[in-house]
Amino acid sequence: AQSVTQLDSHVSVSEGTPVLLRCNYSSSYSPSLFWYVQHPNKGLQLLLKYTSAATLVKGINGFEAEFKKSETSFHLTKPSAHMSDAAEYFCVVSAYGQNFVFGPGTRLSVLP
Amino acid sequence: NAGVTQTPKFRVLKTGQSMTLLCAQDMNHEYMYWYRQDPGMGLRLIHYSVGEGTTAKGEVPDGYNVSRLKKQNFLLGLESAAPSQTSVYFCASSYGMWGTSNENYGYTFGSGTRLTVV
Repeated sequence: AQSVTQLDSHVSVSEGTPVLLRCNYSSSYSPSLFWYVQHPNKGLQLLLKYTSAATLVKGINGFEAEFKKSETSFHLTKPSAHMSDAAEYFCVVSAYGQNFVFGPGTRLSVLP
Repeated sequence: NAGVTQTPKFRVLKTGQSMTLLCAQDMNHEYMYWYRQDPGMGLRLIHYSVGEGTTAKGEVPDGYNVSRLKKQNFLLGLESAAPSQTSVYFCASSYGMWGTSNENYGYTFGSGTRLTVV
């Protein structure tokens, strides 16, 4: 069985400060991990993915995430937040032959 | 532009009415999925298809039916709408099963259908 926990339902940062969105997962198999972003009234867009290659993954718009097997974590970071980063972010776990499992989402607010 | 197109974008139904949501993809993806999104619950899988002519139940299939008569289209039907089906519905497609393959990981999502049942 697989599960995803996103530790914060809402994160608020000031523009220009770092972003940290936390994700912990549980999986019986070696997982693939994803972060998706959803802007208001839009579909989900893939930010980045980990698929058993490099543990530090770089995505679009300056985001990156680090896979830490010992901590079962896949936290999303960005050095400097931009107003356009305000959105809902979903952490997703998948193992080969298993359904995608979505976390409940973290809403990121960016204050001017 | 290539991608996943969902119609309609918005719909209001009365309890007991029926409707069909259409999902179309032009990427020749074999796998297609229907999800519903509810606040604080992420996305939950309703039904999915592993190819033309096939369908299978996901996590929350009750009250929904699906059909995949053509590879590029995946239809989601509500036979008798209930207020509990008020949600945002997303269609997705992928190259490999559950979005995993050696070539192209992940899903491509449509922009969603916001359905309200009153």
